[in-house]
Amino acid sequence: DAGVIQSPRHEVTEMGQEVTLRCKPISGHNSLFWYRQTMMRGLELLIYFNNNVPIDDSGMPEDRFSAKMPNASFSTLKIQPSEPRDSAVYFCASSRERAEAFFGQGTRLTVV
Amino acid sequence: DQQVKQNSPSLSVQEGRISILNCDYTNSMFDYFLWYKKYPAEGPTFLISISSIKDKNEDGRFTVFLNKSAKHLSLHIVPSQPGDSAVYFCGRQGGSEKLVFGKGTKLTVNP
Repeated sequence: DAGVIQSPRHEVTEMGQEVTLRCKPISGHNSLFWYRQTMMRGLELLIYFNNNVPIDDSGMPEDRFSAKMPNASFSTLKIQPSEPRDSAVYFCASSRERAEAFFGQGTRLTVV
Repeated sequence: DQQVKQNSPSLSVQEGRISILNCDYTNSMFDYFLWYKKYPAEGPTFLISISSIKDKNEDGRFTVFLNKSAKHLSLHIVPSQPGDSAVYFCGRQGGSEKLVFGKGTKLTVNP
C-alpha cells in the first residue's frame, strides 16, 4: 500500500486566493483526520471523518476553512480566502477503527 | 481546550542514556494513549500506545508508563540513540475515534 497520499507537497499562494489540499487515505481505513502543524499550537486537529461523515469540526479555525469527503478514497480541505496566518504544514491521516493512525507527508502551505 | 499537554518543548540527552518524555492529560474518558515520532519534512509515525486499562507497555527500547491517578504518562527510551532525535507527540483517542495531540517535545540525542 502506498500509504496516505497528500497533494500538493508544497503550495505557495497569494493572500485572498482559494487553496485546496487533497488527501487519499489508505484503502480500508474508515477514519480520516486533518491536522495543522505550527510552532505555536503543535499538531492541531481541524476535523475528522468517520465512514465519510464529518464527526467533529470544532477545530476548524473559522468559516474560511471547509472540508469534504465525497467518498472513502478522497478528501479535500479548502481555505477560501487564504490569509498569511494560514501558513503551516497540513497533515492528513487515516486509520481503521481502534487502530493507530497513519499520516501522509503533509502539504506545506505558504500564503504571501 | 488542550486536553493533552506536553510541558517540555525540548529535551537533550547523551547517547546511551535514558530519555524520558512526559505528557499530562485532563480528562480520563479515553481508551488509548499514543506516542508518535516526527522527523523534519515527514509525517508523524506511530511509535507505541497504551490502553487505559494498563499501566505499562514495552516495545524494544521504548516503554510507555501510564499513571491514571496522576493523569500522567511518560515515554522512556533506553538506550537513546542519535537516530531517536525527533519531535515526539503524545496523543489520546477516545471511543469516538477522535485523536488529539499535545504540542510535541523535540528530543535531541547527542553522540
